[in-house]
Amino acid sequence: QVQLQESGPGLVKPSETLSLSCSVSRDFISSHYWSWIRQPPGKGLEWIGYLFYGGSTNYNPSLKSRVTISADTSKNQFFLNLSSVTAADTAVYYCARDRGDGYTLSFDSWGQGTLVIVSS
Amino acid sequence: QSVLTQPPSVSGAPGQRVTISCTGSSSNIGAGYDVHWYQHLPGAAPKLLIYGNTHRPSGVPDRFSGSKSGTSASLVITGLQAGAEADYYCQSYDSSLAAYVFGTGTKVTVL
Repeated sequence: QVQLQESGPGLVKPSETLSLSCSVSRDFISSHYWSWIRQPPGKGLEWIGYLFYGGSTNYNPSLKSRVTISADTSKNQFFLNLSSVTAADTAVYYCARDRGDGYTLSFDSWGQGTLVIVSS
Repeated sequence: QSVLTQPPSVSGAPGQRVTISCTGSSSNIGAGYDVHWYQHLPGAAPKLLIYGNTHRPSGVPDRFSGSKSGTSASLVITGLQAGAEADYYCQSYDSSLAAYVFGTGTKVTVL
């Protein structure tokens, strides 16, 4: 069964760039769609964007101007960069894999999530 | 605010049946995009419960079932157990937003 694990700083200063990594085991990032999803404290889930092998990406338009998702296939990792962060970007960030079944994209495997706080 | 609306909370006694609605519009559920459901326990990663409107992944008990009609979808939990206390989210795609969207979330309480 695929496993995903997020890593990165738990504290980021306002106006700086939030950078997270997701390490994937028991699957290859050369298949499937790989997404980032976040949940601000006390709020619901928000899809940030995905990466598909070959470099194809798709971002939530609400975050598109600040988001970059990339991958390192040699390390079987993918990454999230979110620039110009504010307190509103404080959230638990999850990486997730799509089910790959032809239905509208769904997320069948998730990391445990990592809390990122934006504060000076 | 999400384009998929769910009731903030539902509750039921052990053994009872509860239904969680997910109301969308013509740009998401009504446009034919599939609806998926997730169970989110505190401190854990969300778990896919229902995919493709009605299908259960391997290992999900048949006490959980999903349906879709028009611009809405529903998750039904039968034989309610204490372990079902969690937040539940529907998810689909919205063509107006050009984004995958989650519902507002529903907290299930077992009385």
